[in-house]
Amino acid sequence: GENVEQHPSTLSVQEGDSAVIKCTYSDSASNYFPWYKQELGKGPQLIIDIRSNVGEKKDQRIAVTLNKTAKHFSLHITETQPEDSAVYFCAARDTGANSKLTFGKGITLSVRP
Amino acid sequence: DSGVTQTPKHLITATGQRVTLRCSPRSGDLSVYWYQQSLDQGLQFLIQYYNGEERAKGNILERFSAQQFPDLHSELNLSSLELGDSALYFCASSLGLAGEMLADEQFFGPGTRLTVL
Repeated sequence: GENVEQHPSTLSVQEGDSAVIKCTYSDSASNYFPWYKQELGKGPQLIIDIRSNVGEKKDQRIAVTLNKTAKHFSLHITETQPEDSAVYFCAARDTGANSKLTFGKGITLSVRP
Repeated sequence: DSGVTQTPKHLITATGQRVTLRCSPRSGDLSVYWYQQSLDQGLQFLIQYYNGEERAKGNILERFSAQQFPDLHSELNLSSLELGDSALYFCASSLGLAGEMLADEQFFGPGTRLTVL
């Protein structure tokens, strides 16, 4: 089955700096890669996703890049703000109508004011 | 607010008991997914229903079962509860099935925190 790993497990940045969170996946058949943000006491919130036919996708301060050859994808947050502090999860899903999302363990991002 | 609702928000019960968690998907969504989140295991997929039928199973214990009703709300039943079942249980919904453009984005509810004493 699919295995998704996130590195590092914690990340601390200064407000205004950029943050990069990396994930690797094992199943080359995976074709959908969402990123979720989870704030304390809340459910995961979908913030951006990318499909295997695209190398990069951007939405305001957030971007995701995908390297299918190396089987890794990254979340880039620019101009970080204190409200970006949260746990971020990456996930991967293979093809097939009954396929499931496999999540990474999550990374805790802290943005220092 | 994702539009997915879950009740109750918190549940405290004893070992050996049985509980039911309820989920209402976003309006128009046909798929419902259940996940368990614990500190050491992260987000684990349990089961998926699509328009009333079971479509995919993950690491769901035999003591756990789920169903999706004609009005598309779903219930997760946990029985013979053990201390290790204490976790956050999330429901997510999507428009359709995996692979369908824009139909497989999953939106999560606020979760139910289950504590087994």
